[in-house]
Amino acid sequence: EDKVVQSPLSLVVHEGDTVTLNCSYEVTNFRSLLWYKQEKKAPTFLFMLTSSGIEKKSGRLSSILDKKELFSILNITATQTGDSAIYLCAVLQSGGSNYKLTFGKGTLLTVNP
Amino acid sequence: DSGVTQTPKHLITATGQRVTLRCSPRSGDLSVYWYQQSLDQGLQFLIQYYNGEERAKGNILERFSAQQFPDLHSELNLSSLELGDSALYFCASSVDPWNTEAFFGQGTRLTVV
Repeated sequence: EDKVVQSPLSLVVHEGDTVTLNCSYEVTNFRSLLWYKQEKKAPTFLFMLTSSGIEKKSGRLSSILDKKELFSILNITATQTGDSAIYLCAVLQSGGSNYKLTFGKGTLLTVNP
Repeated sequence: DSGVTQTPKHLITATGQRVTLRCSPRSGDLSVYWYQQSLDQGLQFLIQYYNGEERAKGNILERFSAQQFPDLHSELNLSSLELGDSALYFCASSVDPWNTEAFFGQGTRLTVV
């Protein structure tokens, strides 16, 4: 069975802290791994990672994929209260023209002032 | 505002009934995805359409069906509703299927009573 596991489930930090969120997976026909941020309603896209070892960066957020050890991390430096959200990891699998997207349960990040 | 429009925002209906959720993708996006988010199951991919054709199927129940029309808007039909179908239903759209960032609508909150 395909699995995407995120840890920790919940994290509370102070503004200015650096956090690392983890996503491990066991799936067949891996194609890419995606990170989303979900605040009050709709998820917003952060990163799509396809190749191992190449860091993707956007401001204070960065992410990297390890396809050998089957995990990805999302780093947030100098956290701000606006970073408080649920961070979702999803793995896209594809076999021929078939696609499947499996989400983890998410990490709830709370950044206190 | 992501540019993806979902209607209605909220829907309350009784068990056994049928409802239709509507999604208008961002201008220029050919691909539409439907997701279900509930407290116990998390975010789950249901189905994807590209330019009017079904492209990928996820954890979509047989009581649910969807279609994408020539003007690219999409509808998700949920029938014989059960209490467990209560969830937030998201639509997302992207230019290419699975290769580019998908933008989410604000969701339709369905409550089955």
